Amino acid sequence: NAGVTQTPKFQVLKTGQSMTLQCAQDMNHEYMSWYRQDPGMGLRLIHYSVGAGITDQGEVPNGYNVSRSTTEDFPLRLLSAAPSQTSVYFCASSYSAPDWSNQPQHFGDGTRLSIL
Amino acid sequence: EDQVTQSPEALRLQEGESSSLNCSYTVSGLRGLFWYRQDPGKGPEFLFTLYSAGEEKEKERLKATLTKKESFLHITAPKPEDSATYLCAVRFLLNDYKLSFGAGTTVTVRA
Repeated sequence: NAGVTQTPKFQVLKTGQSMTLQCAQDMNHEYMSWYRQDPGMGLRLIHYSVGAGITDQGEVPNGYNVSRSTTEDFPLRLLSAAPSQTSVYFCASSYSAPDWSNQPQHFGDGTRLSIL
Repeated sequence: EDQVTQSPEALRLQEGESSSLNCSYTVSGLRGLFWYRQDPGKGPEFLFTLYSAGEEKEKERLKATLTKKESFLHITAPKPEDSATYLCAVRFLLNDYKLSFGAGTTVTVRA
């Protein structure tokens, strides 16, 4: 049982480059989300999805895009990388029923991204 | 604005020395409070969910409690393997689409 799998684990980019962070889960969870974690700050929600074909913005969505074509996958795209996007990115998933907002989230082990 | 504050930032304990971590939040309506454990280089691992004041949950040496304004994570007779960063997250009634995380408390337990 793999849970939530994130790839790559580490990545270095140059300013202006684009890339996609991959996230896959094998638990048939409807709800998936992306967070960033910066030193001294709590995790902050970037984007989330309550099911295939449905996505919405979190609290820090600028500079990131997402799509949800399948239940299993929820990729995060950086459109034009900036040094301020240097962070550790976590993907999480959870069941939606009966109340998605009170289901514990299962996290992947993160992607450590550096933008030079 | 809804906020979650954890204290202390860091806690160094001797093996067997019990202590408590605090998570306080602005009182604008609570849907649920979550405790997670995070090991270096890993993602957060779910520990507990608390929904209402007076509720308590236990798991091994950890016990989480909830009041109207804060939650405590009590670590009883800790062992070195309890060393980790403990994260508190709150889902508020307003803005319930997101979990609001505290910055965490890093616990180090020395043998």
